[in-house]
Amino acid sequence: QKEVEQDPGPLSVPEGAIVSLNCTYSNSAFQYFMWYRQYSRKGPELLMYTYSSGNKEDGRFTAQVDKSSKYISLFIRDSQPSDSATYLCAPRARNTPLVFGKGTRLSVIA
Amino acid sequence: DAEITQSPRHKITETGRQVTLACHQTWNHNNMFWYRQDLGHGLRLIHYSYGVQDTNKGEVSDGYSVSRSNTEDLPLTLESAASSQTSVYFCASSKGYTDTQYFGPGTRLTVL
Repeated sequence: QKEVEQDPGPLSVPEGAIVSLNCTYSNSAFQYFMWYRQYSRKGPELLMYTYSSGNKEDGRFTAQVDKSSKYISLFIRDSQPSDSATYLCAPRARNTPLVFGKGTRLSVIA
Repeated sequence: DAEITQSPRHKITETGRQVTLACHQTWNHNNMFWYRQDLGHGLRLIHYSYGVQDTNKGEVSDGYSVSRSNTEDLPLTLESAASSQTSVYFCASSKGYTDTQYFGPGTRLTVL
């Protein structure tokens, strides 16, 4: 079993929909949980960062971590065509490199 | 403005040739990373460095090497290119362990 599992999609939703993107992980030492967004033919860029369990909100984006079930979520409210990208979850343990999920490709249709 | 650059952006080479991909950052970041990205596998760590003269193997390091002689650069060398190394390669850097990783624009490498 890979350390981080993420459904690659693709996921296609209409504009304005609520999007839920998810990852599961197996390493209980993971403490830091990142979501990166990657537009086509570009490098990934950090979208959200959460430490330990709980929720974090930034505008239309909410990151959620449930360490008891080893489950990571990213919610996008009022999705826009500009949100069309690949979203990668990337948890890591203390003082270790990030471990990336395979990424979920999202298309928001106007 | 500080940035991270990669060169070349595209390269085609032949099996067996030695290839070096350049990565240069102007943020004075201690940490630098090399990843490859393939369909069905996502981003996989090749090598990383936490400072000058420090290098560490990642998940898929076989056939690759790096050296860190200064803060700004971490070149990635494919000793003898293989078709399985056809991929998109990303370099990244971060200031500290818990800091954001900033990615370069990527190098698309084709090995024929």
